[in-house]
Formats: sequence, C-alpha cells, structure tokens
Amino acid sequence: AAGVIQSPRHLIKEKRETATLKCYPIPRHDTVYWYQQGPGQDPQFLISFYEKMQSDKGSIPDRFSAQQFSDYHSELNMSSLELGDSALYFCASSSNRGTRAFFGQGTRLTVV
Amino acid sequence: KQEVTQIPAALSVPEGENLVLNCSFTDSAIYNLQWFRQDPGKGLTSLLLIQSSQREQTSGRLNASLDKSSGRSTLYIAASQPGDSATYLCAVRHSGSARQLTFGSGTQLTVLP
Repeated sequence: AAGVIQSPRHLIKEKRETATLKCYPIPRHDTVYWYQQGPGQDPQFLISFYEKMQSDKGSIPDRFSAQQFSDYHSELNMSSLELGDSALYFCASSSNRGTRAFFGQGTRLTVV
Repeated sequence: KQEVTQIPAALSVPEGENLVLNCSFTDSAIYNLQWFRQDPGKGLTSLLLIQSSQREQTSGRLNASLDKSSGRSTLYIAASQPGDSATYLCAVRHSGSARQLTFGSGTQLTVLP
C-alpha cells in the first residue's frame, strides 16, 4: 500500500540558507500535517492543511511557510535557516481530520 | 492547552515479560488517541488508534485502553521480544476543527534477550 512520501530524506544546509521539504500524502487523503522533532524531543506540531487550505497553525516560526497544492502534496519552505532548525521533519496525512494519521519517514535537516 | 505525559520515560525488561506503558492527558476533549512506535532516527509507525467513544483496541500482542474521563491510556505489550525495543509515543487528537496531534515525550523501551 502507498504510504506518505517525503523528500528529500536527508538535507544539509548552511546557516541563513533556504530549504524546501516536500510531502506526498497517501492517495485520497485530504489532510496534511507537518511536525518538527528535535534531538531527543517529541514531535511538535507546526501546521496543517485541509483541502488545500491552512487549517491550523502550531509552533511554526515566521521564517517558515507551507502550502498544499492542487494535487494535495505539500511543501514546507524554510528560510534564514538557523542551527536550531536541525531536526527531523515529519509529514502526516489522513483521509479527513479525524481518522488515523499516517506518518512519512521524515526529512532529516542538518544546518551547519 | 493540551499536555500529554508518558511514564516511565525509559523501561528495560527481560524478554518474555508483559509490560504496561502509561499515557496521561490534561484535556479530556479529545477525538481519538494513537500509539506510535519510533525506532532511533526513523519515522513514526502507527500501532493502535482508539476513538474517544472506545475503551480499548487490540492488535496482536498489543492492547491499548482509554479512560477519557480520567485522561489516561495504557499500552499493554504481552510476551515482549527484543524486536519490541523502540520508543513508544502516545498522541491525542484534538476535538477542535483542525484535529492536530499532541504527542507525549515517549517511553524508551529496551527488551533484553
């Protein structure tokens, strides 16, 4: 069965650079969530989209933005990267906002 | 604001033991609760989902219970195996319109052969 696909799996950027993370939800899933997991931390909710509209915002820095496209894939854009942005970024999808959330394998971002 | 707590933070047991992981949450207005497994540096694998109207769910050697009124859930693992070694996270889904997940900090389980 198709799962949530995230790309790239690993990314190394320098401080002040920009990064774009991509998420391809499970087919027919209309909701996408982004989470950030720092080293030794639990996942923290960043932002979510339902039917291509932003539905909720968590602890997402102003330097980050995200959107969901017409094909339901989502991109997380990160600018002016800081060392503290180094983390595992997860995307999850669900078929509506109440059902089981399925997570991708994550993108490991390292800022040097 | 919803807060999710997991106890213990770490647990080490010999192979074959039955064990219980605990999860508590402060706001009982949840839509559902999920238990996840995470291997080091890896993604999150959904283990069990309990809707707010349910009391428990079972999958193989795993059984999860939910007491919404007291804000508690337990994950019971029977006959533990070394392959069960991982971090187990519980997450509650809010009952509001967005329904994002709030995670606990996890229990790191080590099953010794």
